[in-house]
Amino acid sequence: AQKVTQAQTEISVVEKEDVTLDCVYETRDTTYYLFWYKQPPSGELVFLIRRNSFDEQNEISGRYSWNFQKSTSSFNFTITASQVVDSAVYFCALSTRTGTYKYIFGTGTRLKVLA
Amino acid sequence: SQTIHQWPATLVQPVGSPLSLECTVEGTSNPNLYWYRQAAGRGLQLLFYSVGIGQISSEVPQNLSASRPQDRQFILSSKKLLLSDSGFYLCAWSVSATSGRNEQYFGPGTRLTVT
Repeated sequence: AQKVTQAQTEISVVEKEDVTLDCVYETRDTTYYLFWYKQPPSGELVFLIRRNSFDEQNEISGRYSWNFQKSTSSFNFTITASQVVDSAVYFCALSTRTGTYKYIFGTGTRLKVLA
Repeated sequence: SQTIHQWPATLVQPVGSPLSLECTVEGTSNPNLYWYRQAAGRGLQLLFYSVGIGQISSEVPQNLSASRPQDRQFILSSKKLLLSDSGFYLCAWSVSATSGRNEQYFGPGTRLTVT
């Protein structure tokens, strides 16, 4: 079975705090892809990152960083020095061959950054 | 660069009325196209996807249908709307490939309220 779990429904932080959003996935495929999307209040989903199962190298992009660990089936997302503009719902998604590469989304984590 | 358009942005329709939502993509050829629905405060549900003109795969049995009359045009329709059809409808595209590695890019969405 393919599944993505985002256990944190909502997180509130004060501006400039660091915050980590958790994503745990399940799949038996050896080749798969993981994604993070941001959904600001406007509603449009914004693509943040794609990671394939063969690349466990962590990635940093400005204040954003991602930690991919196959051993724990996790693909966590950290925002450093959060800002009010980071307030949004963040979705993690999984794509596998068994699932014909359709996205399996997590239920999302709502992040509120307070000024 | 590629752009995805959706219209209308918002729509209020009575129960039993027809529906037509349109999505067009610019700047790419033969994209994969997707329709998602997001109920208020919930995750994303894949409704339909298409890998080419006239090729539609349905994910969830319902009173909605989709068509792809042109390469970069994707239409979501209903003959008679139900209250449960209310939600936020998102169109997305990805590069045509079976590898699954290609991220999906989302349109601005249509907020549908059925009264």
